[in-house]
Amino acid sequence: AQTVTQSQPEMSVQEAETVTLSCTYDTSESDYYLFWYKQPPSRQMILVIRQEAYKQQNATENRFSVNFQKAAKSFSLKISDSQLGDAAMYFCAYKKTSYDKVIFGPGTSLSVIP
Amino acid sequence: GAVVSQHPSRVICKSGTSVKIECRSLDFQATTMFWYRQFPKKSLMLMATSNEGSKATYEQGVEKDKFLINHASLTLSTLTVTSAHPEDSSFYICSASPRDREAGYTFGSGTRLTVV
Repeated sequence: AQTVTQSQPEMSVQEAETVTLSCTYDTSESDYYLFWYKQPPSRQMILVIRQEAYKQQNATENRFSVNFQKAAKSFSLKISDSQLGDAAMYFCAYKKTSYDKVIFGPGTSLSVIP
Repeated sequence: GAVVSQHPSRVICKSGTSVKIECRSLDFQATTMFWYRQFPKKSLMLMATSNEGSKATYEQGVEKDKFLINHASLTLSTLTVTSAHPEDSSFYICSASPRDREAGYTFGSGTRLTVV
């Protein structure tokens, strides 16, 4: 069965600094999807960034970028120029196929220090 | 685009009663929707996969008779918590996606259920 692990329950970062959130996963599939979701205090799930396993290029969305290491089954999220609004729970997630269920990691609570 | 609407956002019910939560895809058709449960400061736990026109697929350990799922149209899935008890109090979230291979799922805003 596929599993997603986030080893950092809590992280903090100074405003304007850079922080990296870690994620590892386990799968026997060769093609799949990986995501980072943000859940602010409102509890609305927001898609931050996505990566298809067959694409070697790391995805980037403005201040958010990933380091996808397929062989190591690692998918870390880097947040640059951290802002107060980045404070939230961040969930790493995996999906096997287009219409398959999404499996979430346990989450990392990110605090941003002014 | 790809908006998922979930209602109600909050509901309080008495123990023993049933509660229905609706999940609608507003601008796309969704043959598949997913229902999650989330406890405070915990991750999302998949309860079931809702399939339009057929029976839902429940995850192991989820009581299908307690959590009834109906996906009667391409834009609406409902979750009914039957004979609710205080231990059913939780945050329930639905999700769906347009037929786009690269799309991540869009989530509803969630329903906070409190059973008293």
